[in-house]
This record gives sequence, C-alpha cells and structure tokens, in this order.
Amino acid sequence: GENVEQHPSTLSVQEGDSAVIKCTYSDSASNYFPWYKQELGKGPQLIIDIRSNVGEKKDQRIAVTLNKTAKHFSLHITETQPEDSAVYFCAASKSNYQLIWGAGTKLIIKP
Amino acid sequence: GAGVSQTPSNKVTEKGKYVELRCDPISGHTALYWYRQSLGQGPEFLIYFQGTGAADDSGLPNDRFFAVRPEGSVSTLKIQRTERGDSAVYLCASSLTGPDVGYTFGSGTRLTVV
Repeated sequence: GENVEQHPSTLSVQEGDSAVIKCTYSDSASNYFPWYKQELGKGPQLIIDIRSNVGEKKDQRIAVTLNKTAKHFSLHITETQPEDSAVYFCAASKSNYQLIWGAGTKLIIKP
Repeated sequence: GAGVSQTPSNKVTEKGKYVELRCDPISGHTALYWYRQSLGQGPEFLIYFQGTGAADDSGLPNDRFFAVRPEGSVSTLKIQRTERGDSAVYLCASSLTGPDVGYTFGSGTRLTVV
C-alpha cells in the first residue's frame, strides 16, 4: 500500500523567511496530493492541493511542487508570518477520499 | 450549518464501555468521512459515506467499530467494548459531492479510554 514520509518533523524559521516541507510517496498510482494545516485543538484545514497532471501550483504565499518521477512533492511558504505557525500535513491518494498522510511537520515562526 | 460539527468535543469512558460519536456535516454535503488521529501522527482513514451508504469501510480496524448515516446527513461512529488503544481524536469531514473536491474537517472528538 501507499506510504508517505514527511520531513522535517519540526521546522523553525525567522519571520519573513521561507519554509519548505518535503514529502515522498511510494505508490506511483497516487494522483492527488493535498496539504493541510492543523492548529491546536482544531481539525486539519486544506490549504492547497495538486494533481498529478500538474507540476506546480501557487496561491499567494503558498506553493506546491510535484516531481512524479522522483515521487516527491513539497510545500513552500514565503514571507512567513506568526499565524503560519501550526502543524502541516502532506497526504497522497489514488481515490481522493482515502488519503494516506505524512506524520506532520511542526512549523515554528520566530518573531 | 456553517461547518462540520462534532459532538462531544471530549469523551472519557471506561474500558469495555460503548461510545457513540456524532458528526453533523455541512448542509447539502453528500460525502462524509471518518478519520482517526493519534497523538503526533497524521489522520488514519476509517470510512467513507456517499449519501446513506458506506462506499468504503476498509479502514475500520475491527468489528467493534461501526458507523451509520441513516438519512444521508448526520453520521454516528459507534465503538463497542472500548479498549485503551482506541484513545485518539476522531475526525469527521464532509465534501459537497464526493472525492473529487476538497473536504472540510470538524474539530474532532477526543476519546480517552481509561
């Protein structure tokens, strides 16, 4: 079955700098890759997603890149702000509903 | 409603007891999903409903777990003979039509089995 690995487990960056979180997946049939942000005591919130027919997608300060050959995908956050502090999860899916999740990255934005 | 509502937000139960966890999806959303999240981990798929029927229940860990959605809106996750290993946050999500659109999670029910 699918396996998703996520790195790093914790990332601390200075406010205003960029943050990059990386994931790898094992099943080449996976075709949907969402990223979720989870704040303490809340459910995950979808922030951006990408499908396998696209290499990159941007939404304001957030971008996701996908390398199907290497089975890598990454989340890029530019000009980080204190409210970006949260746990970020990547996921992969063949079916869109049965998401296989990474273990999460705790992002800390230092003022 | 405005979002996915889950009740209770916290539930403490004794080992061996029966519990029910409720999910109110966004009004009009036909697809509903249950996930389970253990501390420090990503959510784990349990079951997916399309309307009233369970389209995929392959993630339910064993026959102590059961979920229903009798009228195609509210769903209840039922756990019999609870075990300490069932302790986790149980997350519900819904989406408008199905897997092709992103879905919205509730805040979860934190279940603690003592």
